[in-house]
Amino acid sequence: AQTVTQSQPEMSVQEAETVTLSCTYDTSENNYYLFWYKQPPSRQMILVIRQEAYKQQNATENRFSVNFQKAAKSFSLKISDSQLGDTAMYFCAFIPYNNNDMRFGAGTRLTVKP
Amino acid sequence: DVKVTQSSRYLVKRTGEKVFLECVQDMDHENMFWYRQDPGLGLRLIYFSYDVKMKEKGDIPEGYSVSREKKERFSLILESASTNQTSMYLCASSLSGGGRPGGEETQYFGPGTRLLVL
Repeated sequence: AQTVTQSQPEMSVQEAETVTLSCTYDTSENNYYLFWYKQPPSRQMILVIRQEAYKQQNATENRFSVNFQKAAKSFSLKISDSQLGDTAMYFCAFIPYNNNDMRFGAGTRLTVKP
Repeated sequence: DVKVTQSSRYLVKRTGEKVFLECVQDMDHENMFWYRQDPGLGLRLIYFSYDVKMKEKGDIPEGYSVSREKKERFSLILESASTNQTSMYLCASSLSGGGRPGGEETQYFGPGTRLLVL
């Protein structure tokens, strides 16, 4: 069974600084997708970034980037130049190819302080 | 943009009531999902559907049923609500390559329904 672990229940960062959220996963699959989703307070969950396991290059979306270490089964999210609007719950998720069984971590609550 | 909507943002029901949660997506996605979200547990899959009238159990189907009569609509039913079903319920959809699940796996979420069962 696939599992996703987010070891940091809560984190905080000062505005304009950089923060890294950790995620590890356990799977015997070789091909899969990894995701980071953001859920702002009382708002809809949205996709932040997506990584395909066969791609060695780390995904980047503006201020958001990942450090994907396939051998270590690690998928961390780096947020640069943190903004107040980044305050949210962040979920790491995993899904094997050709499968709908998406697994989520427990989430990390990030607070960006002014 | 993909739009996934849920019929209610907040619901308060009494123990034993039958509860319907509705979800609609407008992007012709084949796959639809129901999750419940609880603090410290992340999202847990209740049921999903990969086609009209098709459904598969997720991790925690007990006490729930689903209905998918039309491609764009996926309903979650609590046959007899209990207090331990108080939770946030999230609906999601994803595009499939057709036939068995596969293809575009990214899931798009609705705003959630916060259900309180008294």
